[in-house]
Amino acid sequence: QSVLTQPPSVSGAPGQRVTISCTGNSSNIGAGYDVHWYQQLPGTAPKLLIYGNSNRPSGVPDRLSGSKSGTSASLAITGLQAEDETVYFCQSYDSSLNTWVFGGGTKLTVL
Amino acid sequence: QVQLQESGPGLVKPSETLSLTCTVSGGSVSSVSYYWSWIRQPPGKGLEWIGYVYYSGSTNYNPSLKSRVTMSVNTSKNQFSLKLSSVTAADTAVYYCARQYCSSTSCYFHYWGQGTLVTVSS
Repeated sequence: QSVLTQPPSVSGAPGQRVTISCTGNSSNIGAGYDVHWYQQLPGTAPKLLIYGNSNRPSGVPDRLSGSKSGTSASLAITGLQAEDETVYFCQSYDSSLNTWVFGGGTKLTVL
Repeated sequence: QVQLQESGPGLVKPSETLSLTCTVSGGSVSSVSYYWSWIRQPPGKGLEWIGYVYYSGSTNYNPSLKSRVTMSVNTSKNQFSLKLSSVTAADTAVYYCARQYCSSTSCYFHYWGQGTLVTVSS
């Protein structure tokens, strides 16, 4: 059971927009800690997509964006492409557990 | 470009100690700006932060694993290491080393090794 809750799966057609939610509580996201997002292709290490809630590292396309409000955060992907089909994780810090925590991951399917 | 590479046994017996090393290239473990972390992922499951070591040797461990974890850094070899004692089948996972950056408001993992599968089995 992950501290940060993500939907197990989301889907969308090519060209469409999808969002992946990440829900926490008052000890993590709601406490003001930033949320970061990672993409994990099969058999590879996670790759940083979004840091500090909404910032993209160089090389990450602007089709991807992040936001945070209250005890939740979201990753939005517009103009869906086949290459976007993989697993996405959110990450933050939890002050009651005194550890950095991850969401359970969301599998994005491009229909 | 910073690169990290894990190395160590892929099979460990129950009750023994898992030992892994991460070799860093394209950057220095002596940098004051970063922390050097270990993260694991059981097959088909999510990610769990194990802990980090700083260039000075100071450490911070996940409380759930703290009693079994030891991390160290070797600046002369540009490496850092993980030891996890008294392993059980529940410790079977892909183990990643990663460089952790901390701002004033949070920390994230911006460079990762490719990961190494460690299986605990007799």
